[in-house]
Amino acid sequence: KNEVEQSPQNLTAQEGEFITINCSYSVGISALHWLQQHPGGGIVSLFMLSSGKKKHGRLIATINIQEKHSSLHITASHPRDSAVYICAVYSGNQFYFGTGTSLTVIP
Amino acid sequence: NAGVTQTPKFRVLKTGQSMTLLCAQDMNHEYMYWYRQDPGMGLRLIHYSVGEGTTAKGEVPDGYNVSRLKKQNFLLGLESAAPSQTSVYFCASSYSTRGQTQYFGPGTRLLVL
Repeated sequence: KNEVEQSPQNLTAQEGEFITINCSYSVGISALHWLQQHPGGGIVSLFMLSSGKKKHGRLIATINIQEKHSSLHITASHPRDSAVYICAVYSGNQFYFGTGTSLTVIP
Repeated sequence: NAGVTQTPKFRVLKTGQSMTLLCAQDMNHEYMYWYRQDPGMGLRLIHYSVGEGTTAKGEVPDGYNVSRLKKQNFLLGLESAAPSQTSVYFCASSYSTRGQTQYFGPGTRLLVL
């Protein structure tokens, strides 16, 4: 049973396209995180959300608590955005991680 | 600031050998974690610590031991390595409550033959 499901698993886009990655979860949460894992393996935190919407540069993250769903949007995608994007939720004193969405942006 | 560092970056072990992975953070974080990442699976928590001198089991603790003798260091030990422990290991730290942003190390790739 996966507490966190991401879609799509893999995504290829042309440079400049608008990209959406989805995350659905089945547990009650106090926080949701979006992480980025670069091809070299390093993981960085992009957003922490408990409600509403956050924006950082070309990245936008939204969450709908009632529907237990979050989306990560990338506007004007660029090849340097190519990475694995991981959704993680914090529930009951532990994190649950999705398996990630692998994004490739082609020039 | 170096953030979170891990040593070594890559290691090959034979079945039955032991080793220790070192994680160090210079952000004065209370919480530290060890995860493993396997293909097709999300990050899974092995052990964690909520402060110096404390440790607790995570989701997949069997075959691993940990110690947090100093606040800045969190050690992960494999006493008798098995091929099932072939994985990429990530250390992370956070300032306080576990729901807060975690800062990850670069990872250690371990191959057990």
